[in-house]
Amino acid sequence: AQSVAQPEDQVNVAEGNPLTVKCTYSVSGNPYLFWYVQYPNRGLQFLLKYITGDNLVKGSYGFEAEFNKSQTSFHLKKPSALVSDSALYFCAVTYSGSARQLTFGSGTQLTVLP
Amino acid sequence: GAVVSQHPSWVICKSGTSVKIECRSLDFQATTMFWYRQFPKQSLMLMATSNEGSKATYEQGVEKDKFLINHASLTLSTLTVTSAHPEDSSFYICSASFGSPPYEQFFGPGTRLTVL
Repeated sequence: AQSVAQPEDQVNVAEGNPLTVKCTYSVSGNPYLFWYVQYPNRGLQFLLKYITGDNLVKGSYGFEAEFNKSQTSFHLKKPSALVSDSALYFCAVTYSGSARQLTFGSGTQLTVLP
Repeated sequence: GAVVSQHPSWVICKSGTSVKIECRSLDFQATTMFWYRQFPKQSLMLMATSNEGSKATYEQGVEKDKFLINHASLTLSTLTVTSAHPEDSSFYICSASFGSPPYEQFFGPGTRLTVL
């Protein structure tokens, strides 16, 4: 079984400030973790993933995420937010031994204020 | 690489008609394709998983006779919403995966269905 929690429905941050979007997970095996971003009426765009190796993962558009096994977290971060980062962000998990299915979090709406 | 397209991007139909949505992997062969449904400002709900040449596996609560899925080739899967009703109006997204674990999924741009 696998599950993902995004505890914040909405995150507001001022432009230029650092942002964090939280994600925690639960899986039966070794996790494979993903972050996606969705703009209105669009599909999901891949940001980054953790499969194995370095706990700090760098992805597209200056985003990064840190895999923390002890806290079962995979929070998305960016040092300096842009207004154009405003979108809906999804964390997703699958695991070694799964039937390929991704489980998505409920999503976090990020609003970057000018 | 790993581009997935969907067609149409939006469709409006009358209640009672059927609508077909196509999902294509443009530059890879997709062993598995997934269909999701998304309501406004909500997460993706997995409807079904399909493997090329075999019947789709539907998630609990998804009517297989209403949402017909065909995965006829390694690059094409179709979702047909039969006898559509206004409550079927939604954003439908497909994804495709291939190869070995972690079976990363590549997402299409989505199809907005509005049933009048």
